[in-house]
Amino acid sequence: NAGVMQNPRHLVRRRGQEARLRCSPMKGHSHVYWYRQLPEEGLKFMVYLQKENIIDESGMPKERFSAEFPKEGPSILRIQQVVRGDSAAYFCASSSDRGGEQFFGPGTRLTVL
Amino acid sequence: SQQGEEDPQALSIQEGENATMNCSYKTSINNLQWYRQNSGRGLVHLILIRSNEREKHSGRLRVTLDTSKKSSSLLITASRAADTASYFCATASTNFGNEKLTFGTGTRLTIIP
Repeated sequence: NAGVMQNPRHLVRRRGQEARLRCSPMKGHSHVYWYRQLPEEGLKFMVYLQKENIIDESGMPKERFSAEFPKEGPSILRIQQVVRGDSAAYFCASSSDRGGEQFFGPGTRLTVL
Repeated sequence: SQQGEEDPQALSIQEGENATMNCSYKTSINNLQWYRQNSGRGLVHLILIRSNEREKHSGRLRVTLDTSKKSSSLLITASRAADTASYFCATASTNFGNEKLTFGTGTRLTIIP
């Protein structure tokens, strides 16, 4: 059983570029969560999605950030026009049902130059 | 201060000793979970304790929950060098449901061989 997969593991972007982070949930999981971790801090919830639906995006910045989880394929977290403050580790988790145990991926470390 | 604060922020002990970490939170919860994160890696789920439970064991781990004090503790007995990691508590709030985990800032545990 493959766990939650995220790619790329490391991503370097220059200010103003776009960053696309991908998350493939565990097999059989249809619930995906994105979290951001700044250096020396805990994880902060960003968004919760089910297939083709955004359920809770209360943790998403109002601008430049968007997320999707299409019927086919991985969940995508997209950051447009990145700034240095976007540098962080972005973790994806998945669960088999709403409120179920969340299994985390290894994260994508985004560095904005 | 934020929901889910761990105490202490850092802890160094000799191998074989017991390590105790504490977590305080602010809102009513459905459950509280503990995770481990090795440096630069993803999160590993350790244990979940529900709001109607007071104590739970898993191998060398013992978790307690006191909902009246809004606090939890994680005890690792007979510590090993491999236990060196950061430990986070995460709460699932009754207000927000199990979908949105709120993480603390973590305790960095170092086991000295």
